[in-house]
Amino acid sequence: NAGVTQTPKFRILKIGQSMTLQCTQDMNHNYMYWYRQDPGMGLKLIYYSVGAGITDKGEVPNGYNVSRSTTEDFPLRLELAAPSQTSVYFCASSDPGQGDTEAFFGQGTRLTVV
Amino acid sequence: AQSVTQPDIHITVSEGASLELRCNYSYGATPYLFWYVQSPGQGLQLLLKYFSGDTLVQGIKGFEAEFKRSQSSFNLRKPSVHWSDAAEYFCAVGALTGGGNKLTFGTGTQLKVEL
Repeated sequence: NAGVTQTPKFRILKIGQSMTLQCTQDMNHNYMYWYRQDPGMGLKLIYYSVGAGITDKGEVPNGYNVSRSTTEDFPLRLELAAPSQTSVYFCASSDPGQGDTEAFFGQGTRLTVV
Repeated sequence: AQSVTQPDIHITVSEGASLELRCNYSYGATPYLFWYVQSPGQGLQLLLKYFSGDTLVQGIKGFEAEFKRSQSSFNLRKPSVHWSDAAEYFCAVGALTGGGNKLTFGTGTQLKVEL
């Protein structure tokens, strides 16, 4: 199993540009999450989803959007990139109902907005 | 609201020495507790987790952690550190709710191992 796969691994955006960070998982997990990691700040939850078609805001949702059309995919959209969105983004999945109570993380996307 | 405090930002130990990383949490009910490790440029790997039962839990790579409800702590320990243990360590608390298991992370402890 590949687990949680994120693309791209690195990206540089100009201010005002938009992009989509891709995330897919092959564990048939119902729950998926997007976190951002900033130095010295730990990880903060941006958005999460409890299943296809259902999403909700986390702690730091401003400037982001998500969708969940399938169980496998949970893309994160940045519409108007700002320097404050320079960060490392992690996608994760879990499914306590299947016994996977912990979150399984992707390798991350390092985004720089200039 | 749940929260996690990792009071040590950086820790340096000699290879072969013992290690203890501190974690204190705040949560209104019985928490679900995790320790993750992150090597540079990598994602987060689960070391161990606690939900209930025995308060001393064993994880991968020789790590263990002890849940102490009275102290709201979940400290990570290893009897003998290896140079390959140098990494950043995150404690997290979760709650199984309708939103799955949303995790709240501490700010991390950077471990340096001196040879």
